[in-house]
Amino acid sequence: DPKIIQKPKYLVAVTGSEKILICEQYLGHNAMYWYRQSAKKPLEFMFSYSYQKLMDNQTASSRFQPQSSKKNHLDLQITALKPDDSATYFCASSQAGTANQAPLFGEGTRLSVL
Amino acid sequence: QQQVRQSPQSLTVWEGETAILNCSYEDSTFDYFPWYHQFPGESPALLIAIRPVSNKKEDGRFTIFFNKREKKFSLHIADSQPGDSATYFCAAGDYAQGLTFGLGTRVSVFP
Repeated sequence: DPKIIQKPKYLVAVTGSEKILICEQYLGHNAMYWYRQSAKKPLEFMFSYSYQKLMDNQTASSRFQPQSSKKNHLDLQITALKPDDSATYFCASSQAGTANQAPLFGEGTRLSVL
Repeated sequence: QQQVRQSPQSLTVWEGETAILNCSYEDSTFDYFPWYHQFPGESPALLIAIRPVSNKKEDGRFTIFFNKREKKFSLHIADSQPGDSATYFCAAGDYAQGLTFGLGTRVSVFP
């Protein structure tokens, strides 16, 4: 069973709409992340959260807003969607601050914006 | 600005050979260097990682060589198998910040 659950697996949206990508991890990790992968930019870091606090934000656009309601949840709200937002969005988690802190990735949400 | 450079873009080896993938980085604050592989349609999966206190890390057929002075690290895949065919990504980062990934090396292993 996957320990990092992302919903939905596939998502089609129209330009200008808003979507929320869901992520829950059941690994007991204290840090969660969002990454984006597209043909143009393979594996691009977006956000990192530790203990529900934003640690790093490498996303220039305010249209992307992470939301953490619980320590094992990190959702991603995307507003005013554009075709360029089409990509696979990966949620990841790790036990930051320990010897092994490499993030483990969820299965991804494949977003297509028409 | 690409902070982690990866080469080659693609690599073809025969079964049984050693595949060598190379990465370099610029940010001296990076202190964690993992390698991931990714099969088509799947998410990246962690292979092996190293911290700068070591210059070599082995896990089965996979070995990382790390050169802190030159800011370079490499992945050696010994006795390559057709099942190793995938895209390999190096990455670099530090605590609480996200990883910066290289652009990937597509490895093809032919029997």
